Amino acid sequence: RKEVEQDPGPFNVPEGATVAFNCTYSNSASQSFFWYRQDCRKEPKLLMSVYSSGNEDGRFTAQLNRASQYISLLIRDSKLSDSATYLCAVKGSGGYQKVTFGTGTKLQVIP
Amino acid sequence: DGGITQSPKYLFRKEGQNVTLSCEQNLNHDAMYWYRQDPGQGLRLIYYSQIVNDFQKGDIAEGYSVSREKKESFPLTVTSAQKNPTAFYLCASSQKPGTGFNQPQHFGDGTRLSIL
Repeated sequence: RKEVEQDPGPFNVPEGATVAFNCTYSNSASQSFFWYRQDCRKEPKLLMSVYSSGNEDGRFTAQLNRASQYISLLIRDSKLSDSATYLCAVKGSGGYQKVTFGTGTKLQVIP
Repeated sequence: DGGITQSPKYLFRKEGQNVTLSCEQNLNHDAMYWYRQDPGQGLRLIYYSQIVNDFQKGDIAEGYSVSREKKESFPLTVTSAQKNPTAFYLCASSQKPGTGFNQPQHFGDGTRLSIL
């Protein structure tokens, strides 16, 4: 089993739709979780951290389910500009706290 | 503005040549990282450094070397021993691990390396 897994997509959704992605992780001792957005041929940019109680930033909501070992990202009222690849990142425990990135989920918002 | 600067944006390597990718940050971050991204694959860790004058191998260190003589700088050398160097190279930095629960990594805008 991969340390961090994501459905590669693509998810093709119409403008205004709500879409959700999941990211599963294998290390139950993982401590920190993040969502990044990566545009084509660009660097990943931090979208949001994921907190235990869940957190929201505008149209974006992140959730953590420790029991089932996954995090989720919900995007409401999708915009054309949301089209990108969304990477999850999971930080482990221990001295170094290695961060493992998923391979990303591609989202295409259609007019 | 604080950030991470990578240079050059594009780099071409000839057979048998070593090339060095630059990464500079002015975020006062202790930890710095180098990743490689290939099409359809996730980010793979090459090397990381938590403090000056110390660095550790990541998952795919063979054919690469680094140095960390200054807090701000973490150059990566792709040696001739790396037989498949064509990829998108990303440098990242973060606060020192252990100083905060949620310390995300921030990325430079990357260097695209190709073989001539």
